[in-house]
Amino acid sequence: DTAVSQTPKYLVTQMGNDKSIKCEQNLGHDTMYWYKQDSKKFLKIMFSYNNKELIINETVPNRFSPKSPDKAHLNLHINSLELGDSAVYFCASQGRNGYTFGSGTRLTVV
Amino acid sequence: GENVEQHPSTLSVQEGDSAVIKCTYSDSASNYFPWYKQELGKGPQLIIDIRSNVGEKKDQRIAVTLNKTAKHFSLHITETQPEDSAVYFCAASMSSGGNTPLVFGKGTRLSVIA
Repeated sequence: DTAVSQTPKYLVTQMGNDKSIKCEQNLGHDTMYWYKQDSKKFLKIMFSYNNKELIINETVPNRFSPKSPDKAHLNLHINSLELGDSAVYFCASQGRNGYTFGSGTRLTVV
Repeated sequence: GENVEQHPSTLSVQEGDSAVIKCTYSDSASNYFPWYKQELGKGPQLIIDIRSNVGEKKDQRIAVTLNKTAKHFSLHITETQPEDSAVYFCAASMSSGGNTPLVFGKGTRLSVIA
């Protein structure tokens, strides 16, 4: 039973399209994150949610809109996709013993 | 805000040798320092962590040391094996608990040569 699951694993789409990535955790954690990992493997925080409320928004373009319908889910919607959005996006949840990451969504914008 | 520097960016060792990865952090309020291993096509996985009330922690072939005064911490892997090959990330935050985001180093690609 996967603790943090992301879908889809791969996403190839054209510039200008709108797409969503879904994340669910079954660990009962209150805090969830989205991180972006670029081609050089750098992990950069994008958003943090605590119990469905936005806590951190790190200078991410407003084309990116996270949504948390409940504390077990944190989805990421991206409007008007650009070439520079191509990356691996990781969802993570945080409990007392640190982060658990999902397996990532590789987004390729062509 | 917190800034974490990690060195080296790549590291190649012969199987059986030791590997050391070093990190420095900037925020003296940080007191939780985890290390993550990321294998190809997977998400980062926690392998060991240390809190500021401890100077060293060991788990089988992996050990982590922390020097709070100098604001640096290191990962030591002994008797390396090919399956240790991966990208390793250090991170820092003010707590392991909820709502305290981790700031990651830029990663070290470790290659263990058989």
